[in-house]
Amino acid sequence: EDQVTQSPEALRLQEGESSSLNCSYTVSGLRGLFWYRQDPGKGPEFLFTLYSAGEEKEKERLKATLTKKESFLHITAPKPEDSATYLCAVDGNNRKLIWGLGTSLGVNP
Amino acid sequence: DGGITQSPKYLFRKEGQNVTLSCEQNLNHDAMYWYRQDPGQGLRLIYYSQIVNDFQKGDIAEGYSVSREKKESFPLTVTSAQKNPTAFYLCASSIPPSNVLTFGAGSRLTVL
Repeated sequence: EDQVTQSPEALRLQEGESSSLNCSYTVSGLRGLFWYRQDPGKGPEFLFTLYSAGEEKEKERLKATLTKKESFLHITAPKPEDSATYLCAVDGNNRKLIWGLGTSLGVNP
Repeated sequence: DGGITQSPKYLFRKEGQNVTLSCEQNLNHDAMYWYRQDPGQGLRLIYYSQIVNDFQKGDIAEGYSVSREKKESFPLTVTSAQKNPTAFYLCASSIPPSNVLTFGAGSRLTVL
């Protein structure tokens, strides 16, 4: 069964304290892994797509990496405006997005 | 600016009443989707449409209905048959075959 598990459920960091969020997945035939950011009361906003193991993508303080079993979203020197819920989703052979529950990130000034 | 507009932002209804949530996009995307988001659960697909006048059930279609008469519009009706309608509803669109979704701001439905 296709499955996505995100950890931790919640994370609180001090401003400037780097850390990583994890997205573990099982899927038959990975076609893509997606990271989204969601602010409270708003729709998710697309961040990255990763297609194959070893691939990395960066955007400002965020860097996403992918292995055959998991993806990491690394946050370098976070700022309070990085506070949000980060969602992971995978697309497999059945062409149906499977979503994780998200990691709620809070960054203290 | 191109995007997806959902309305209303907040909606309160009594049990037994049907409600319709609006979703309009000006991105010229062919595919549109409706998701439901509940605390402690991942996004769950209600309905999706790849082309005008055609749509398919998602994982939790019972108690919901949709139409796709225009490329730009994909309204969702929450019927009285939906047992737990209180939720945050998200509309999204994409350009097939990509699964990169653009989301609207969401509609929060509360059934009293």
